[in-house]
Amino acid sequence: GENVEQHPSTLSVQEGDSAVIKCTYSDSASNYFPWYKQELGKRPQLIIDIRSNVGEKKDQRIAVTLNKTAKHFSLHITETQPEDSAVYFCAPGGGNYQLIWGAGTKLIIKP
Amino acid sequence: NAGVMQNPRHLVRRRGQEARLRCSPMKGHSHVYWYRQLPEEGLKFMVYLQKENIIDESGMPKERFSAEFPKEGPSILRIQQVVRGDSAAYFCASSLRTGGTDTQYFGPGTRLTVL
Repeated sequence: GENVEQHPSTLSVQEGDSAVIKCTYSDSASNYFPWYKQELGKRPQLIIDIRSNVGEKKDQRIAVTLNKTAKHFSLHITETQPEDSAVYFCAPGGGNYQLIWGAGTKLIIKP
Repeated sequence: NAGVMQNPRHLVRRRGQEARLRCSPMKGHSHVYWYRQLPEEGLKFMVYLQKENIIDESGMPKERFSAEFPKEGPSILRIQQVVRGDSAAYFCASSLRTGGTDTQYFGPGTRLTVL
C-alpha cells in the first residue's frame, strides 16, 4: 500500500522566516496532493492542493511544489506569522479513493 | 451552505456503554469518511461510506465498531462496549466526489472520553 512520510516532524522557525515541509509518497498512481493545517483542538482544514498536471501552485504566502519523478511534494510558507503555528499534514491521493495521511509536522513560530 | 456537522461535540461514556457519533455531510456530498485522532498523533482512517454502502472499512476494528450512512439522515459511527482506549477525537469528512482526488471537508469532531 501507499507509504507516506513527512519531514521534519517538528519545525521551529523565527517569525518572518520561511518554513518548508516535505512529503514523500510511494504510490506512482497518486495524482492529488493536498496540505491540511490543524490548529490545536480544531479540525483539519485544506490550505492548498495541487494536481499532477501542475508542478507548482501559489496562494499568497503559501506554495506547494510537486516532483512526480521523485515522488515528493513540499509545502512552503514565507514570511511566517504566529498564526501559522499548527500541525500540517500531507495527504496524497488518487491511487484509490482514499487520501493517505502523513504523520504531521508541528510548526512552531518563535516571536 | 452549512459545512460538515458533527454531534455531539463532546461525549462522555463509562466503560461498557455505547457511543453513537453523528455526521451530516456538506450539502450535495455523498461521500463520508471517519477518522480517529489520538492526542499528539495524526489522523487514522477508519471507514469510507457512500449512501447506503460501506466502500472501505479496512481501518475500523472488526469488533465493537460499526458505521452506516443511510439513504436519509446522518452517517453514524457506533462503538459498542467502549473501553478507555477508545478515548479520542473522531472526525468525519465529506467530499463531493470520490475522496482520492477530491477535497475532503472536515467536521469539528467529537471528543469521546471513556471513564
